[in-house]
Formats: sequence, C-alpha cells, structure tokens
Amino acid sequence: GAVVSQHPSRVICKSGTSVKIECRSLDFQATTMFWYRQFPKQSLMLMATSNEGSKATYEQGVEKDKFLINHASLTLSTLTVTSAHPEDSSFYICSARSGRSVAGELFFGEGSRLTVL
Amino acid sequence: AQTVTQSQPEMSVQEAETVTLSCTYDTSESDYYLFWYKQPPSRQMILVIRQEAYKQQNATENRFSVNFQKAAKSFSLKISDSQLGDAAMYFCAYRSARVVVNKLVFGAGTILRVKS
Repeated sequence: GAVVSQHPSRVICKSGTSVKIECRSLDFQATTMFWYRQFPKQSLMLMATSNEGSKATYEQGVEKDKFLINHASLTLSTLTVTSAHPEDSSFYICSARSGRSVAGELFFGEGSRLTVL
Repeated sequence: AQTVTQSQPEMSVQEAETVTLSCTYDTSESDYYLFWYKQPPSRQMILVIRQEAYKQQNATENRFSVNFQKAAKSFSLKISDSQLGDAAMYFCAYRSARVVVNKLVFGAGTILRVKS
C-alpha cells in the first residue's frame, strides 16, 4: 500500500501555544488529504478535507480558526492547533487516497497524540 | 446521509477459533464501497479488506473474509484461525462511489480481544 507519514507522533504543549502536525504522502501525490480526530476507544471523527492549493473543507462543528489546515504541496498537509487548550488534547490522524487505491480506500498516517497542559 | 452501525462494542475469541464482527449500514445509493480497518494498540489504521457493492462475490484476504448482504445492508467480517496479533479495534467503513463524495464514514468500532 501507499505510505503516509505523520510528525510528530507525540507532542506536549502548554495551554495557549500553537502546535503544528505534518502529514506527508511519501510515495504518491495526494491532491486530497483528510484529518481525523479520535478520542480513546472511540471512532474517527472527520474534521476536515484538505485540498491541495485551495482552502480546506471543514465538517460541521469544527472551528476553522482553531484548526488551521494548509495543503501547500501534493505531498504535504499541515494541521495547526492554534491557542491550544486541554480540551484539544486528542489523537489526530491524517489520511490520503492514493492513485493506487482500488476502491477509494484511505491510507493512514501513524497518528499524533497531542497533550495540552 | 449514510450511517454505519457496529453493534458489538467488544468481542472475545479464543486463539485459533473463528469470530464474526457485525456491521450494518444505511444508504440510498446503489454503488458504494465497504471496508474493514484494523487499529491495533499502536493506533496505526490498517486496511483489512474491501468490498465493491457491485460485486456479488464476497471478498477474502487470507484468514479474513466478509459476508456482504446488499439487500440487508449488512457487511460482517469473519476472522478465521484467530491469532494474538488480531487483537485490535476494528472499524467498518462506507464510501460512496460518487467521485465528488470522498469521505469515509466509520462505524463506532469493535474491540476484539484474543485469548491465549
């Protein structure tokens, strides 16, 4: 399958600071990437769809100004959690669809665990 | 809107035995894709198996197979000869075949425990 890499895998920050998470497609170009948030033992919640060269499409209830998404190249999308607060602590996962996807399946990054103190 | 339901929060299976995880979905579309993803303790999402709705034949991947019942909107996953490494959270997911709709809709997940 295609490889998607996320960095950092773990990040701890102080309340009020901003944190950037990177998502890279290593062996394919991704015009679209997806950002998910996952709470312990729960399902993945789609936050936004990241489109290369254009604005991200956010799901209902997701604050655009809180979660800034930039997809500046065909292999990189970034999620910036601005002015982070403890309630933003979560597991964030990115994913992308490769041209090799047979049925439109997504390939996922390893995830990033954010802890806001 | 499409929904995916996994009614089993947790399941247990003895090593080497067979277990079936349930999934039902709701859609008005006729063309779509269904997936089972595995999320082990490492939290890395791994594709287990996929099924195209237009195919009548059930998909199989080694020890993993599905029972796809389109009319009943059911898509269960059977794991044969269960191994300790199968222990994980399993998610059923749906995707419309319409190109403009790219999202995967996930079920709530089923935690699978494998006993040795």
